[in-house]
Amino acid sequence: GNSVTQMEGPVTLSEEAFLTINCTYTATGYPSLFWYVQYPGEGLQLLLKATKADDKGSNKGFEATYRKETTSFHLEKGSVQVSDSAVYFCALSDPAAGNKLTFGGGTRVLVKP
Amino acid sequence: DGGITQSPKYLFRKEGQNVTLSCEQNLNHDAMYWYRQDPGQGLRLIYYSQIVNDFQKGDIAEGYSVSREKKESFPLTVTSAQKNPTAFYLCASSMDQGARTDTQYFGPGTRLTVL
Repeated sequence: GNSVTQMEGPVTLSEEAFLTINCTYTATGYPSLFWYVQYPGEGLQLLLKATKADDKGSNKGFEATYRKETTSFHLEKGSVQVSDSAVYFCALSDPAAGNKLTFGGGTRVLVKP
Repeated sequence: DGGITQSPKYLFRKEGQNVTLSCEQNLNHDAMYWYRQDPGQGLRLIYYSQIVNDFQKGDIAEGYSVSREKKESFPLTVTSAQKNPTAFYLCASSMDQGARTDTQYFGPGTRLTVL
């Protein structure tokens, strides 16, 4: 079956630090990959996505590259802000499984001023 | 504004009572989904619907029921058979579940607490 593994948190950083959240996946088909962000008490917001190998998704200073050879989709941001404090979810959507989303467990990020 | 609305934001119910969570979208999306989120965990799929009057069980459908009588609406009923219903419930929708690039968009969630 499909699965997504992401690093456990919490990740605590100082403002302007570099952020990396690792995400690896297992899929039976050729999935699309997503990063969602969840702020406290809210639903999930789509942060970025990539639909084929070597695609780079980017949004709000965040980037992630679809690496088929390493089955990874690591999230990076060069300089975090306090407002980036949230829980980040990596997910895959597999056409072979009706495009249902499979989520990682989430990584809590806390940015301190 | 286009989007997904869920109501209520907070819901309290006594053990043994059925409760229905509302989800409405005005994005003209064909597919709709219900997820459950427990503290510190990822999301798990309860039910999904690709088209009006049709829906399928997800990974944890036991103790839940849904209907899809209108394209815009996908209510979820948490029945008394659900052993541990206290959780955060998220509704999502997407344009075309059959497309490889299909993307799900989420509502703000309903936090259900069973007393």
